[in-house]
Amino acid sequence: AQTVTQSQPEMSVQEAETVTLSCTYDTSESDYYLFWYKQPPSRQMILVIRQEAYKQQNATENRFSVNFQKAAKSFSLKISDSQLGDAAMYFCAYRRIGNKLVFGAGTILRVKS
Amino acid sequence: GAGVSQSPSNKVTEKGKDVELRCDPISGHTALYWYRQSLGQGLEFLIYFQGNSAPDKSGLPSDRFSAERTGGSVSTLTIQRTQQEDSAVYLCASSLVAEETQYFGPGTRLLVL
Repeated sequence: AQTVTQSQPEMSVQEAETVTLSCTYDTSESDYYLFWYKQPPSRQMILVIRQEAYKQQNATENRFSVNFQKAAKSFSLKISDSQLGDAAMYFCAYRRIGNKLVFGAGTILRVKS
Repeated sequence: GAGVSQSPSNKVTEKGKDVELRCDPISGHTALYWYRQSLGQGLEFLIYFQGNSAPDKSGLPSDRFSAERTGGSVSTLTIQRTQQEDSAVYLCASSLVAEETQYFGPGTRLLVL
């Protein structure tokens, strides 16, 4: 069975600085998707970024980028120029083609002004 | 366009009562998922509907849980004889096809007294 591990229960970052959230996963599949979702206190899960396993290039979305290391089964999220609105719970998730999401336990990100 | 909607937003019920939770997916999305988010278990997959195929019910925790999707659109998750351990946030997600990104609704917070 696939598993997703987020080893940082909580992280803090100063406003305008950069923070990296870690995620590792375990799978025997070669084709899959990886996601980072953000969940603010409103509990709405918001897609931050997505990576297809067959793509070698790391995905980027404005201030958000990933470091995808397929061989190491690592998928970290880098948030640049952190903003107060980035404060939330961040979930790393794995998805095999045509299948359900498997989530990590989440990392609470606090942004200090 | 409109996102995934869920109702009710919050539900308080007494132990032993039945509850129904509703999900309206994004129009045109053929895949629909239910997840449960609880303090002790994190985010867990419950059930998955894809088009006219038989649903994947592998995540339902007991036979007290059931779900249906009428007309390939709206879905209802029913919990019979609720127990206190059923207290959680129930999240619904939909995607355009099974391989695409899942978009989440705001969730229903269920409290069983």
